[in-house]
Amino acid sequence: KNEVEQSPQNLTAQEGEFITINCSYSVGISALHWLQQHPGGGIVSLFMLSSGKKKHGRLIATINIQEKHSSLHITASHPRDSAVYICAAYYQDSNYQLIWGAGTKLIIKP
Amino acid sequence: DVKVTQSSRYLVKRTGEKVFLECVQDMDHENMFWYRQDPGLGLRLIYFSYDVKMKEKGDIPEGYSVSREKKERFSLILESASTNQTSMYLCASSSGQGGHGYTFGSGTRLTVV
Repeated sequence: KNEVEQSPQNLTAQEGEFITINCSYSVGISALHWLQQHPGGGIVSLFMLSSGKKKHGRLIATINIQEKHSSLHITASHPRDSAVYICAAYYQDSNYQLIWGAGTKLIIKP
Repeated sequence: DVKVTQSSRYLVKRTGEKVFLECVQDMDHENMFWYRQDPGLGLRLIYFSYDVKMKEKGDIPEGYSVSREKKERFSLILESASTNQTSMYLCASSSGQGGHGYTFGSGTRLTVV
C-alpha cells in the first residue's frame, strides 16, 4: 500500500530555532511535494523534488531515495512560519494522484 | 502570476439545494482535482480529471459529481447538499504525470444549514 507518514504531528518552537519536519514513504515514488497551509488559508506548494536538495530562502527540502525519507528544514524560524506543513508523494502507480501525509502543525513563539 | 481561482471564498447553502463550486486555472494544466479538507481527516480526494470531458472518482465521490467541459474549468456539483458536506473544498491543478506545477486554489468554505 502506498503510504506517507509525517512526524512530528505537532511542533512548537521558539523564534530563531532550526526546525526539521520528517516524511517517510513507500517504494515507487516519482516525486515528493512539500506544501504549506496557513490558518484559514489556501495551500501553497513549497517544493517538488525527486532527488537531492532544494532551497528557497530559509526553507530547505532534502530527499534520500535509498532511505525513502524526506525532510523539510526551516532556518532562523519566525512566527510567520507558523502553519501546517504537509508532504505528499506521487507514486508511479498513483494515476495522477497525490498520497498525502497527515501534516505537521508548526507554531513558532516570539 | 499563474493561479487557480475558486469562484467563492465562503458559501452558505440550505439542505437539499444543488450547489456548484467553480474552479478555473490559467496554466494550461491537464490535470485538475477537487479535495475536501476536514479537521483530523486531512485532505481527501473527491474527483479528478486528466483531460477535458474525462473524470475519475477519488476516495469520497458519493454525493458529488463533476464537469469538465473546457480544459481550464473544473466544476464540483453537490446534487442535493447535506449538512455532512459542510467543509473546506480545495481545487488543484497539475501538469503531466509527475505532479509538476501542483497548484491549489484558495479554497471555498461551504456551510450547509
